[in-house]
Amino acid sequence: DIQMTQSPSSLSASVGDRVAITCQASQDISNSLNWYQQKPGKAPKLLIYDAYYLATGVPSRFSGSGSGTDFTFTISSLQPEDIATYYCQQHDNVPGTFGPGTNVDIK
Amino acid sequence: EVQLVESGGGLVQPGGSLRLSCAASGFTFSDYAMTWVRQAPGKGLEWVSSISESGGDTYYADSVKGRFTISRDNSKNTLYLQMNSLRVEDTAVYFCAKVIYNWNPISPHYWGPGTLVTVSS
Repeated sequence: DIQMTQSPSSLSASVGDRVAITCQASQDISNSLNWYQQKPGKAPKLLIYDAYYLATGVPSRFSGSGSGTDFTFTISSLQPEDIATYYCQQHDNVPGTFGPGTNVDIK
Repeated sequence: EVQLVESGGGLVQPGGSLRLSCAASGFTFSDYAMTWVRQAPGKGLEWVSSISESGGDTYYADSVKGRFTISRDNSKNTLYLQMNSLRVEDTAVYFCAKVIYNWNPISPHYWGPGTLVTVSS
């Protein structure tokens, strides 16, 4: 199975800050990576698919990059409504493993 | 608008069974593979199972293989997850999801709100 790691596990930043989360796959997954946002008590929401495509209706302050084994998710200007846990997920091979998540908070 | 609503969760004893349902609307259900993902209390997301648009191909996580069965009824726009031999570690919120591409069964796009399954004596 492909293992996914994320860092950091949590971060605290100020409104307006640029925030970056990294995700690493245990083997080459090309660009088969999604990013999800999950707020407490809610279902996850797809933000980025295939490493860098923005899902419909998602604000442009969210972006993704990378390919192969190393990926980055960026919030260009953190907003209060971005407080959530963010997960990466590889969809190159079954099982579609998720990263452990990154909790993002406002300082 | 895509809508997915799970039902069938509840409290069950270890070794028991439960069948989850997911009613879909707002898209052509028979055109898309579907998937189940779960989240144990306070934990991360775990992909559980997926099924192709026709139901002919199914996929399972090792943790549920042989105990869970995914199925669908395209005439009723409904996805199912039959869960047998339930264990305490199966306790989680179970989400159903429509996939992004109909050719990739493990890439969730739209998610339902989830249904809680609690396995406890």
